[in-house]
Amino acid sequence: ILNVEQSPQSLHVQEGDSTNFTCSFPSSNFYALHWYRWETAKSPEALFVMTLNGDEKKKGRISATLNTKEGYSYLYIKGSQPEDSATYLCAFLHTGNQFYFGTGTSLTVIP
Amino acid sequence: KAGVTQTPRYLIKTRGQQVTLSCSPISGHRSVSWYQQTPGQGLQFLFEYFSETQRNKGNFPGRFSGRQFSNSRSEMNVSTLELGDSALYLCASSLSQALGYTFGSGTRLTVV
Repeated sequence: ILNVEQSPQSLHVQEGDSTNFTCSFPSSNFYALHWYRWETAKSPEALFVMTLNGDEKKKGRISATLNTKEGYSYLYIKGSQPEDSATYLCAFLHTGNQFYFGTGTSLTVIP
Repeated sequence: KAGVTQTPRYLIKTRGQQVTLSCSPISGHRSVSWYQQTPGQGLQFLFEYFSETQRNKGNFPGRFSGRQFSNSRSEMNVSTLELGDSALYLCASSLSQALGYTFGSGTRLTVV
């Protein structure tokens, strides 16, 4: 069983603050790294799919970077808004074609 | 465009029974995967099907099984239910693993 770790486990920030969290995964047999946002009472929603070392992806105020050599990805949220409150999951896909999800970072943005 | 549909949304079963959950993927998606989420745990991968064939399997006992039909709809079966099987079961479909997955709303299974 591969280990995918996310930190911190939970985070409370004030509206307008910028924040970031980390996903750590094995650096060998890398195929892809996915980020999902999971709001309460909804389904996980795909944010980014990252496949190349050095990848940087951006969607509005949210961006992500990827370092496959050292096995980590950062997710950044600029100017957090209450609607950003959710659990952010990363999922590591290795060359064996199996997904391993982290336990998520729960973000609460306080108005 | 319809999303991923899971039925039923909620289910209560007693220990020892079996249960079948259903997942209809987005039209055109041939890959369907299943996940279990229990309190305090991340999403645990159960299995993935592609074109009616199981492509990958997670570390779950043989009581958990699945299948995929020619129209890509998938079912997951759990036999001899245990209390610890109480969880949210999510299915997700994809055109390609490299494109990310679209998840259904899940089936909340409670075993009493």
